[in-house]
Amino acid sequence: DGGITQSPKYLFRKEGQNVTLSCEQNLNHDAMYWYRQDPGQGLRLIYYSQIVNDFQKGDIAEGYSVSREKKESFPLTVTSAQKNPTAFYLCASSTGQGRFLNTEAFFGQGTRLTVV
Amino acid sequence: AQSVAQPEDQVNVAEGNPLTVKCTYSVSGNPYLFWYVQYPNRGLQFLLKYITGDNLVKGSYGFEAEFNKSQTSFHLKKPSALVSDSALYFCAVSPNTGFQKLVFGTGTRLLVSP
Repeated sequence: DGGITQSPKYLFRKEGQNVTLSCEQNLNHDAMYWYRQDPGQGLRLIYYSQIVNDFQKGDIAEGYSVSREKKESFPLTVTSAQKNPTAFYLCASSTGQGRFLNTEAFFGQGTRLTVV
Repeated sequence: AQSVAQPEDQVNVAEGNPLTVKCTYSVSGNPYLFWYVQYPNRGLQFLLKYITGDNLVKGSYGFEAEFNKSQTSFHLKKPSALVSDSALYFCAVSPNTGFQKLVFGTGTRLLVSP
């Protein structure tokens, strides 16, 4: 089936560790996004990528890094510099060129990251 | 910068009654507007969107939304609520010029009682 897959579903991180969240899509979408969800705050954009080998910071990029070496993949690394990483992380993708935000974004099932 | 307001943290409605989840937005120029639904520990599912054309937009699962430019609103509605509609609903907006960030509201929890 076509879709967007995030793994793992649950992830535990020790203080000072870097962790990488996986996001893969087989929808042939150009654009991919990472959002962070905290209770009562909605979704906040961390990073986005409009095309392979290109990505841009979102509203809360500090302490995070990404890569976009393949169209299908957009992994997110939560570094030790992120002071409050416990959250629910959502990856999304959308299609089109140019004004591609006029098409809806498709979301993965999310990764819940907990610092222990 | 664009923004979205969902003034109600929670909406309670009895099964079979109509429901409304409110959303107002602020954006430069004309908006693209979206509604998404989220079930516990899951990703967001697309419900409907307004791009242009008719102000009344029909979407999945019997939901619809009305775009009101003068009131800058995009309220989500359903004529007859189901218990299975209970979930977290997000409104989102982006300007319709070039690539802009999709901005989400804080979400409204809908509880439908039997």
